[in-house]
Amino acid sequence: DIQMTQSPSSLSASVGDRVTITCRASQTISNYLNWYQQKPGKAPKLLIYAASSLQSGVPSRFSGSGSGTDFTLSISGLQPEDFATYCCQQSYSPPWTFGQGTKVEIK
Amino acid sequence: EVQLVESGGGLVQPGGSLRLSCAASGFTFSSYDMSWVRQAPGKGLEWISYISTSGIIYYRDSVKGRFTVSRDNAENSLHLQMNSLRAEDTAVYCCARSGYSGSYRLEYWGQGTPVTVSS
Repeated sequence: DIQMTQSPSSLSASVGDRVTITCRASQTISNYLNWYQQKPGKAPKLLIYAASSLQSGVPSRFSGSGSGTDFTLSISGLQPEDFATYCCQQSYSPPWTFGQGTKVEIK
Repeated sequence: EVQLVESGGGLVQPGGSLRLSCAASGFTFSSYDMSWVRQAPGKGLEWISYISTSGIIYYRDSVKGRFTVSRDNAENSLHLQMNSLRAEDTAVYCCARSGYSGSYRLEYWGQGTPVTVSS
């Protein structure tokens, strides 16, 4: 199975900050990488697919980059509604594994 | 509006069985691949099963031989039959819809149904 490792596991940031989260795959996965946002008690939300494609309806302050084994999710101008947990998922081959998540908290 | 509503969770003893269902609405169910994902308490998301529109099925190793995914396109529903349940299967189980084409991604999710395996 492909292992997905995110860093950091949590971070504190202020409204307006730029935040970057990293996801590393245990083997090359080309650009087969998705990012999701998860809030307590709510269904996860797809933000980015194919490493850098913004899902319809997702604000443009979210962006993704990377290829191969190293990927990043960036949030430019953090908004109050962005405090949540973010997780990556490889879509290269089943089992389509997730990272352990990065919790973005208010500083 | 796309809606996915899971049901069928509950408390079950180790070794027992449960059948989860996911009622889909707001889209042409037969045209989309579907998946089940779970989240154990305090843990991350874990993909467990997939069924395509053509009936291709995948499972994660830890549930192979115990879980069976199926779909009923006439009823717009997805099911997960879970047998020989273990304590480590305790989690909230969510169904999710894939994108229409292109790379695998989970565009819409239900809120989940909780499963507790305990004596």
